Amino acid sequence: EAGVAQSPRYKIIEKRQSVAFWCNPISGHATLYWYQQILGQGPKLLIQFQNNGVVDDSQLPKDRFSAERLKGVDSTLKIQPAKLEDSAVYLCASSLQGFSGPTDTQYFGPGTRLTVL
Amino acid sequence: GQSLEQPSEVTAVEGAIVQINCTYQTSGFYGLSWYQQHDGGAPTFLSYNALDGLEETGRFSSFLSRSDSYGYLLLQELQMKDSASYFCAVRDRDGGFKTIFGAGTRLFVKA
Repeated sequence: EAGVAQSPRYKIIEKRQSVAFWCNPISGHATLYWYQQILGQGPKLLIQFQNNGVVDDSQLPKDRFSAERLKGVDSTLKIQPAKLEDSAVYLCASSLQGFSGPTDTQYFGPGTRLTVL
Repeated sequence: GQSLEQPSEVTAVEGAIVQINCTYQTSGFYGLSWYQQHDGGAPTFLSYNALDGLEETGRFSSFLSRSDSYGYLLLQELQMKDSASYFCAVRDRDGGFKTIFGAGTRLFVKA
């Protein structure tokens, strides 16, 4: 079974530029998550999709971050414009039940390491 | 709101046993998960406890006490490859189900 795919793996941009990340979850997984992980910290949930609907984006800085999940499968996360504090690893994860189920084993992709200069 | 506390670092010797504690505070607790993350890698699922007691999976065990809002991960026969960060994560029901991660415990295994 293929895992969660993410691209690019690394990205270096200057502040005020824009950047986009792509995620392809495990086939059949209804729930897709985007996390931000700053060095030395735990993953912080940015947005959670159930199929192609948003169920939680309470911690997404909506003035600069946006995300969409096309047709309930792939997802893109965009930052525009980027700030220095956005330097982090952006992790995508997927799970079978997510929002609707009591158990929620999340499968993570390799992440995108973003450096904002 | 929700909060989780776990030690920032733990050091142990190869072959020993180590326990990583996690205390949590949440309004709609449903279960506690543990994830392992090696440097530069993705978090990988280790275990999930919804009921009180001990769950054993090979060298790893996880314990939960719902009345104490407390759990721990027990690693036995430590190996160098166990050096990683370990995150507890609370499964919370607040409207829908959500997972909140702790800040992680960095485990150093020495020879």
